[in-house]
Amino acid sequence: DGGITQSPKYLFRKEGQNVTLSCEQNLNHDAMYWYRQDPGQGLRLIYYSQIVNDFQKGDIAEGYSVSREKKESFPLTVTSAQKNPTAFYLCASKPGQGFNEQFFGPGTRLTVL
Amino acid sequence: RKEVEQDPGPFNVPEGATVAFNCTYSNSASQSFFWYRQDCRKEPKLLMSVYSSGNEDGRFTAQLNRASQYISLLIRDSKLSDSATYLCVVNEWGYQKVTFGTGTKLQVIP
Repeated sequence: DGGITQSPKYLFRKEGQNVTLSCEQNLNHDAMYWYRQDPGQGLRLIYYSQIVNDFQKGDIAEGYSVSREKKESFPLTVTSAQKNPTAFYLCASKPGQGFNEQFFGPGTRLTVL
Repeated sequence: RKEVEQDPGPFNVPEGATVAFNCTYSNSASQSFFWYRQDCRKEPKLLMSVYSSGNEDGRFTAQLNRASQYISLLIRDSKLSDSATYLCVVNEWGYQKVTFGTGTKLQVIP
C-alpha cells in the first residue's frame, strides 16, 4: 500500500534534548512538508522540500532542521533551541508542481517534559 | 491580513440541516484550492478539490469565487459523522508552498 508513515506516534523528551521525527513516503512524490499544529490552532509550515537535496524554510523554522537526502525521506529534527516544542507534528507530500493535493501522514505527538 | 481566513466556529447544527462555510484568501495569484477534513487528534484528509466551475460530491458542494477571492463549502443533510474541523487550502500554480486556513469547527447535534 502506498502512503506516508511517521514514527513514532507519541514521543516524550526532556528539555534540552534534540529529537528527530521520521517521515517516509512511497508515493514517489517530489515535494514534502512538515507542519506543526497546536491545540485549537491551524497548521503552520516549518519546512518544505521540492526535490532531493533542497529545502526551504517555512513560517516557523527557528529551532528546527531537516534533510532531504532521499526522495522518500524527510526527517525533522527538533532542537533544544525550539522554545516550545510540545505539539502535533504532521508530515505531508505532494506529487509535484500543479493542482495537486497534499497527502498527510498520521502525525507524531511530541511532548517535552 | 492573514493569507487564508476562516471563521473558527464552532457551528452547531442539528442533524439534517444545511450548513455553509466560507474561506477567503488574499493572494490573487492563487490557483488551486481544496477542502480538507480533520477529526480530533488525527491528520487532515482531503474532502474535495475546488474547481473554477464548482463541484459536487454527494452532500458536499464546493464553489470558487475568484472575483471576491473566496471558496465555500456547503454540506446538505448534515450527519453526526460530519462533525469535524474543515480546513481550506490554497496554493499557487507551480509553487510548492501551500497555505492552510485555521479551520472551521462543525458540530452536528442529534
